[in-house]
Amino acid sequence: EVQLLESGGGLVQPGGSLRLSCAASGFTFSSYAMSWVRQAPGKGLEWVSAISGGGGTTYYADSVKGRFTISRDNSKNTVYLQMNSLRAEDTAIYYCARGYCSGGSCYWGTDYWGQGTLVTVSS
Amino acid sequence: EIVLTQSPGTLSLSPGERATLSCRASQSVISTYLAWYQQKPGQAPRLLIYGASSRATGIPDRFSGSGSGTDFTLTISRLEPEDFAVYYCQQYGSSPFTFGPGTKVHIK
Repeated sequence: EVQLLESGGGLVQPGGSLRLSCAASGFTFSSYAMSWVRQAPGKGLEWVSAISGGGGTTYYADSVKGRFTISRDNSKNTVYLQMNSLRAEDTAIYYCARGYCSGGSCYWGTDYWGQGTLVTVSS
Repeated sequence: EIVLTQSPGTLSLSPGERATLSCRASQSVISTYLAWYQQKPGQAPRLLIYGASSRATGIPDRFSGSGSGTDFTLTISRLEPEDFAVYYCQQYGSSPFTFGPGTKVHIK
């Protein structure tokens, strides 16, 4: 069974930093891209970042580029999101999600999602 | 950046009725890399459709997706009580992998 468990959320002051983790199980982690998607309270989904299975390719939303860094440790089946220079508008539930594979190819679209971790940026 | 527009913003329907949701892209979506997700309150999104028209594992066949280029549609043939939720489209053909603003389907 595919499981994704996010951790590391919490309350942080504007300008502060936080590192989110997503521990994966139930599949061959290194074969799949991983993404982070966030949802501000009462708002829609916003794609944040993605990383390829091997870690060599990363993408970011313009809203977080230069402040957030996605990485992964395939030996620990874990993907991370390092968030620096946090702003009030970064307040959201952060979900990690697995890229999907079909017909022998893998894609940036996502199939399984974790339950999310809440990040609150406030003084 | 590809901007996705979903319409209508809200859909009021009764169980048993057909729902037709639209997702329009500001430019052509590469290789129909378009997905639809369902989200219920307090839950993570669930993948319904990928590649514009392929149903994800375990998704009932009352859900179907169609479209290409810039115009995509999610159809729910007969609404069940558990289908009342918010639906999002997402393109994953070119970064940033943007989401639409969502369509809320609620009980009339």
